[in-house]
Amino acid sequence: GNSVTQMEGPVTLSEEAFLTINCTYTATGYPSLFWYVQYPGEGLQLLLKATKADDKGSNKGFEATYRKETTSFHLEKGSVQVSDSAVYFCALSEWSSASKIIFGSGTRLSIRP
Amino acid sequence: DTAVSQTPKYLVTQMGNDKSIKCEQNLGHDTMYWYKQDSKKFLKIMFSYNNKELIINETVPNRFSPKSPDKAHLNLHINSLELGDSAVYFCASSPDRPNTEAFFGQGTRLTVV
Repeated sequence: GNSVTQMEGPVTLSEEAFLTINCTYTATGYPSLFWYVQYPGEGLQLLLKATKADDKGSNKGFEATYRKETTSFHLEKGSVQVSDSAVYFCALSEWSSASKIIFGSGTRLSIRP
Repeated sequence: DTAVSQTPKYLVTQMGNDKSIKCEQNLGHDTMYWYKQDSKKFLKIMFSYNNKELIINETVPNRFSPKSPDKAHLNLHINSLELGDSAVYFCASSPDRPNTEAFFGQGTRLTVV
């Protein structure tokens, strides 16, 4: 079946550092890909998405490009802030009789001032 | 206006009890879900409903019984609670079309003692 694998955390960076969180997927069809963010004590929020190959999703300085050839959707940000500390989930949407979102295991990101 | 709302936000109960978590969405979506997030933040889909009809049941013990009185509500009833049921439960909804993101509630933290 379809699956998502993302780098294990926790990831700890200093403020203004460059961030990459790796995500790869396995899918039989052409899923949409998502990054969700979960701030402490809150639910999941959609951070960005891409619906087809070579699409780039971006939001709040974060970017990710849908790479079909490498089945990847790595999350990047050029300069992280303390407020970016959260858990980040890579996910894909598969469609059969109904939509189903499959999540990676999550990566906890901590940013030091 | 809250798009996906769950109640209660916190639930502490004793083993063996029966409890319910309620979920409502005002987005007009046809599909609703329940996800379970364990202590390591791993998210696993439990159920998916489409227009009040059960579509996905991911090998969840039959002590868990979802009920959808209408397409805006999906409640989760849990019988004979066990220590291992302690987790955060998230309700979500999405439109009934391929490759769309899901919108999540704030979660219900269930603690079984």
